[in-house]
Amino acid sequence: AQSVAQPEDQVNVAEGNPLTVKCTYSVSGNPYLFWYVQYPNRGLQFLLKYITGDNLVKGSYGFEAEFNKSQTSFHLKKPSALVSDSALYFCAVRDGGGSYIPTFGRGTSLIVHP
Amino acid sequence: GAVVSQHPSWVICKSGTSVKIECRSLDFQATTMFWYRQFPKQSLMLMATSNEGSKATYEQGVEKDKFLINHASLTLSTLTVTSAHPEDSSFYICSARETGVETQYFGPGTRLLVL
Repeated sequence: AQSVAQPEDQVNVAEGNPLTVKCTYSVSGNPYLFWYVQYPNRGLQFLLKYITGDNLVKGSYGFEAEFNKSQTSFHLKKPSALVSDSALYFCAVRDGGGSYIPTFGRGTSLIVHP
Repeated sequence: GAVVSQHPSWVICKSGTSVKIECRSLDFQATTMFWYRQFPKQSLMLMATSNEGSKATYEQGVEKDKFLINHASLTLSTLTVTSAHPEDSSFYICSARETGVETQYFGPGTRLLVL
């Protein structure tokens, strides 16, 4: 079985400050982890993924995420938030040894204040 | 690369009519396509998974006779909402996955409003 949790419905941050959007997961095998962003009335855009290799993954628009196996987490981070980063962020996980269909978290709304 | 398009982007129809939504992978061959439904301020609900040339696999609670999915080619999947009712109004999003590539790429979504 695989599951993913995004514990925060909403994250508020001031422009220029660092941001973190949290994600924890549960899988039986090796986790394949993804982050997507959704702007209003749009589909999801791929930001980054972790399959194997370095625990720190860099993605689009200056975002990065750190895979932490011991804490089963894959938090999304950005050193300096922009107002344009305000959107809905989804974490997804797939069990590398199981179903090829990923499970999506419920989403976290990021609001960056000017 | 990895662009997925959906058409139409929005549609308004009368109750009882059928609506077809197309999902195309523009620059890759999508062995697998997924159809999701998203309610306001909620996460994605996977409706079905379709593999090219075979019948779609529907998630529990999704009526296969109401939501007809066809994946006739490696670049095109269609979702037909038959005899649409107001409760079918929603945002429908497709995604496509290339064989051997882990990432799903999403279309821009189709907003359906049934009057």
